[in-house]
Amino acid sequence: DARVTQTPRHKVTEMGQEVTMRCQPILGHNTVFWYRQTMMQGLELLAYFRNRAPLDDSGMPKDRFSAEMPDATLATLKIQPSEPRDSAVYFCASGVAGSTDTQYFGPGTRLTVL
Amino acid sequence: QQQVKQSPQSLIVQKGGIPIINCAYENTAFDYFPWYQQFPGKGPALLIAIRPDVSEKKEGRFTISFNKSAKQFSLHIMDSQPGDSATYFCAASISGTYKYIFGTGTRLKVLA
Repeated sequence: DARVTQTPRHKVTEMGQEVTMRCQPILGHNTVFWYRQTMMQGLELLAYFRNRAPLDDSGMPKDRFSAEMPDATLATLKIQPSEPRDSAVYFCASGVAGSTDTQYFGPGTRLTVL
Repeated sequence: QQQVKQSPQSLIVQKGGIPIINCAYENTAFDYFPWYQQFPGKGPALLIAIRPDVSEKKEGRFTISFNKSAKQFSLHIMDSQPGDSATYFCAASISGTYKYIFGTGTRLKVLA
């Protein structure tokens, strides 16, 4: 059955390194979201795209985070340089704007920055 | 005004009990209220959702009650089972924006 996929599922890296997380939305979905989940802050929306164009990235620290959709089947979230406070689970979700308003979440990438 | 306040933070009930999770919002423009269920190590998954034109919606053992005047909505789980042990998130959205504001989550444990 169709589902959102994310890679890698786990990532451990040293402070200062670049981290790239990838998401494959469900085929045909035109809206893609990036969320960050921590115990302290819960689920925070970082950015989202519609038809590959960024609609809102106000939740994202601009100096180190960047999000792109090189094509309709791939979304990326990059952190450069990474910091220990970036340690969290990062979720991608996708959906069809104008349909049911449902967001379908991927399994997440657990990032640990040492 | 964009916040969604969720309570309680955690909840423990016996099997067969009816846990109730509450959410409150301020922005009257919100018109879509989903509940998501998240198991450890998994992404959140849509459980049930309601729009403000109805006061209650049931799907199986899960019921949303909605009070538009009080700007509150709640999730009830009938005949709760240990398999319902998970974290539950409420959210609010304005139709068409597709942008959710999530509550802080409720960790539910159902004892066997």
